[in-house]
Amino acid sequence: GIQVEQSPPDLILQEGANSTLRCNFSDSVNNLQWFHQNPWGQLINLFYIPSGTKQNGRLSATTVATERYSLLYISSSQTTDSGVYFCAAGADKLIFGTGTRLQVFP
Amino acid sequence: SQTIHQWPATLVQPVGSPLSLECTVEGTSNPNLYWYRQAAGRGLQLLFYSVGIGQISSEVPQNLSASRPQDRQFILSSKKLLLSDSGFYLCAWEDRGDTEAFFGQGTRLTVV
Repeated sequence: GIQVEQSPPDLILQEGANSTLRCNFSDSVNNLQWFHQNPWGQLINLFYIPSGTKQNGRLSATTVATERYSLLYISSSQTTDSGVYFCAAGADKLIFGTGTRLQVFP
Repeated sequence: SQTIHQWPATLVQPVGSPLSLECTVEGTSNPNLYWYRQAAGRGLQLLFYSVGIGQISSEVPQNLSASRPQDRQFILSSKKLLLSDSGFYLCAWEDRGDTEAFFGQGTRLTVV
């Protein structure tokens, strides 16, 4: 089955810094999503982006399907951005990566 | 608009007891439905998915089973819980033809 890998596993930033999270997947997909897991465990949809580029405020994402990777950009990070970011990809079902744990300090 | 409900939010059960977690979706019909489990500090593992009533695909061998008795209802069960069944269980749905998935708020299960 498809393998989904995320890097880095952990990221520590000071407020205001920018960051890039990466997701590699091993096979062709028709679904790729980025999620933020809040402290209560809920998964918040950030982007549905099987290909192309999208932006939502300080967050943007790019997926290059032909090269099997996706990037999540966080600009001007805030403490409320802290948490775990997951990439999930698949053709008929979503497979999750192991996540990137982001900590933003004031 | 579509909503997904999971209950209970937390559950503490003794080893060997049965389990039933329920997930329902409103505002859509014939969705794909999923059960995931997240062990502490780790990623989400797909357990079951369903493309229709009575149609269940199991992703990993385990002590759990799933059923879909109605179009928008997905149930995760166990006859006898093990300590290793502890974790955070999440239900998800997606519309046919639109493959963006949305998750419920999860059930935190502790087996003691």
